[in-house]
Amino acid sequence: DIQMTQSPSSLSASVGDRVTITCRASQTISSYLNWYQQKPGKAPKLLIYAASSLQSGVPSRFSGSGSGTDFTLSISSLQPEDFATYYCQQSYSTPRTFGQGTNVEIK
Amino acid sequence: QVQLQESGPGLVKPSQTLSLTCTVSGDSIRSSGYYWSWIRQHPGKGLEWIGYIYYSGSTYYNPSLKSRVTISVDTSKNQFSLKLSSVTAADTAVYYCARDRDGYTFDYWGQGTLVTVSS
Repeated sequence: DIQMTQSPSSLSASVGDRVTITCRASQTISSYLNWYQQKPGKAPKLLIYAASSLQSGVPSRFSGSGSGTDFTLSISSLQPEDFATYYCQQSYSTPRTFGQGTNVEIK
Repeated sequence: QVQLQESGPGLVKPSQTLSLTCTVSGDSIRSSGYYWSWIRQHPGKGLEWIGYIYYSGSTYYNPSLKSRVTISVDTSKNQFSLKLSSVTAADTAVYYCARDRDGYTFDYWGQGTLVTVSS
């Protein structure tokens, strides 16, 4: 199985901050990398697919980059509704695997 | 608007079989290029992909659960189902169904249903 490792596991930030989350795959996955946002008690929501493509309806302050083994999710200006847990997920091979999550908290 | 809704018992006894159904609306489960997945999340933990089915009946299961999992589809009802046998407390989790676009991206999810394994 491909292991996905996110860093940091949690972070504290203020509204308006730029936030960057990193995801590393245990082997190359080309650009087969997706990002999801999950709020407490809710299902994950797709933000970014194929490493850098913005899902329809997702604000443009979210962006993704990377290929191979190293990827980043950036939020250009953190908004109150962005405080949540973020997961990366590889779709290069089965079984599909997720990172352990990054919890973005209010500073 | 595509919607998925999980249904099934919220409490299952150890050693029994967990059974859940996902009803899809706003899209045909026979749509080309879409797979239909089950994903679970242990309380306070990360996400674990269980497996998927294509409308033709083709399946793929996570090897970690393969010996206990069966996913089936009922195209006439626009539903797909999960059966997980010989459950233990370690199978207590929120179970999600999701649409898997082109086999690469989970673009629509159900709200999730908590299944507790306890006597």
